[in-house]
Amino acid sequence: EAGVVQSPRYKIIEKKQPVAFWCNPISGHNTLYWYRQNLGQGPELLIRYENEEAVDDSQLPKDRFSAERLKGVDSTLKIQPAELGDSAVYLCASSPGDRSYEQYFGPGTRLTVT
Amino acid sequence: SQKIEQNSEALNIQEGKTATLTCNYTNYSPAYLQWYRQDPGRGPVFLLLIRENEKEKRKERLKVTFDTTLKQSLFHITASQPADSATYLCALVGMGYQKVTFGTGTKLQVIP
Repeated sequence: EAGVVQSPRYKIIEKKQPVAFWCNPISGHNTLYWYRQNLGQGPELLIRYENEEAVDDSQLPKDRFSAERLKGVDSTLKIQPAELGDSAVYLCASSPGDRSYEQYFGPGTRLTVT
Repeated sequence: SQKIEQNSEALNIQEGKTATLTCNYTNYSPAYLQWYRQDPGRGPVFLLLIRENEKEKRKERLKVTFDTTLKQSLFHITASQPADSATYLCALVGMGYQKVTFGTGTKLQVIP
């Protein structure tokens, strides 16, 4: 069974530029999460989807971050414009849902904003 | 505010010994507590989940305890091996809700 796929693995951009991350969850997983992880810290939830509905986006900085999950499968997280403080690893995870709370993480995208 | 605390300093342990990692929390009533392993450059990997009404859970060389009175979970790795070296994250799942809040993690180094 394929795991959670993320791309790109690495991205370097200049501040004020836009950037997008893509995630393909494990087949059949209804719940999808986007996290941000700073060095030496645990993952911090940005947004959680149940199918195509964003059910928790309280931690998403909506002035510059946006996300979508069309058709309840793949998801894209966008930052526009990027700031220096956005440098971090962006992790996508999926879960079967249906009261199964195990999360399966992708390898992450390491973003560097210069 | 909710707070999850894990040993911020790295834990060094001799191979073959039991490693014990601590996760303390405040202002939280979790329904579940999870432990994940994270290797450098990789996403976390799920290890164990324990429910609020369970005191202990085991899986091979791993053991987790959960004390909701003390608001603490202990994670044990028996007969530790150098391959167990990684960062271990605890995560709390709130009541009736799948939101997961992660601790900062403890880096474990098993010395041959």
